[in-house]
Amino acid sequence: GAVVSQHPSRVICKSGTSVKIECRSLDFQATTMFWYRQFPKKSLMLMATSNEGSKATYEQGVEKDKFLINHASLTLSTLTVTSAHPEDSSFYICSARWGDLTGAFFGQGTRLTVV
Amino acid sequence: QKEVEQDPGPLSVPEGAIVSLNCTYSNSAFQYFMWYRQYSRKGPELLMYTYSSGNKEDGRFTAQVDKSSKYISLFIRDSQPSDSATYLCAMKLDSSYKLIFGSGTRLLVRP
Repeated sequence: GAVVSQHPSRVICKSGTSVKIECRSLDFQATTMFWYRQFPKKSLMLMATSNEGSKATYEQGVEKDKFLINHASLTLSTLTVTSAHPEDSSFYICSARWGDLTGAFFGQGTRLTVV
Repeated sequence: QKEVEQDPGPLSVPEGAIVSLNCTYSNSAFQYFMWYRQYSRKGPELLMYTYSSGNKEDGRFTAQVDKSSKYISLFIRDSQPSDSATYLCAMKLDSSYKLIFGSGTRLLVRP
C-alpha cells in the first residue's frame, strides 16, 4: 500500500542551528502534505499545509519564518526549523493527502531535541 | 471548550476483553470521523474511517458515529497485548482538509 516516509526519525541539534526534516510519498503523488507537531500526551496540532509548487499555508500562531516548508516535487515536502531553540523540541509528523482522503497516511515522525 | 474531547486514560484491560474508546465533539458540522492507532514514538496509523453517521466494521474493530449526540466510539473485540497503544480520534468538515484530533486515549492490554 501507499507509504509516507519521514526522515530523520530522531535528531539532536544545538541551539541556534537549523534542522531539515523530509517527508516523501513513496508510491503515489501527493499534491498536498501536512505538517503536525505533537507534544507529549497531547493531540496533533496542524502547523501548515504544503502544496506542491506553491507557498505553504500556515496555521494561526505558527511562525512561517521559523518553520520553512518547501514542496518542490509531487513526492517530497521538507520542513526546516530555523535557528532552533529548546522550546522547538517536539515530535514532528508529516501526512500526505491521498485523493480525497486527508490523513490517510502519516510519516513515522521526527523527534527533535534542541540542546 | 475543546472541539474534540477524549479521555486520556490510561485504560487497562485484560487480554480478550472488549474495549470501548470514545470521543465527544462540539461542532455538529463535522462529517468525517477517523480513528488512529499510535505506538510510542511513531506516527499515527489510520484504523477506521467513517463518513456521517452509522457503524463500520473491520475485523476486530467497529466504529460508531452518533451525530445526534456528537459522540463517536471505537470498539475492539478480543483485545490483544499488541493493541496496547494510544488511540486518537480525528474529524473534519466536508469542505475542509483540516483534521481536528483528540488528545488520545492510552490503552494497555494485559496478557
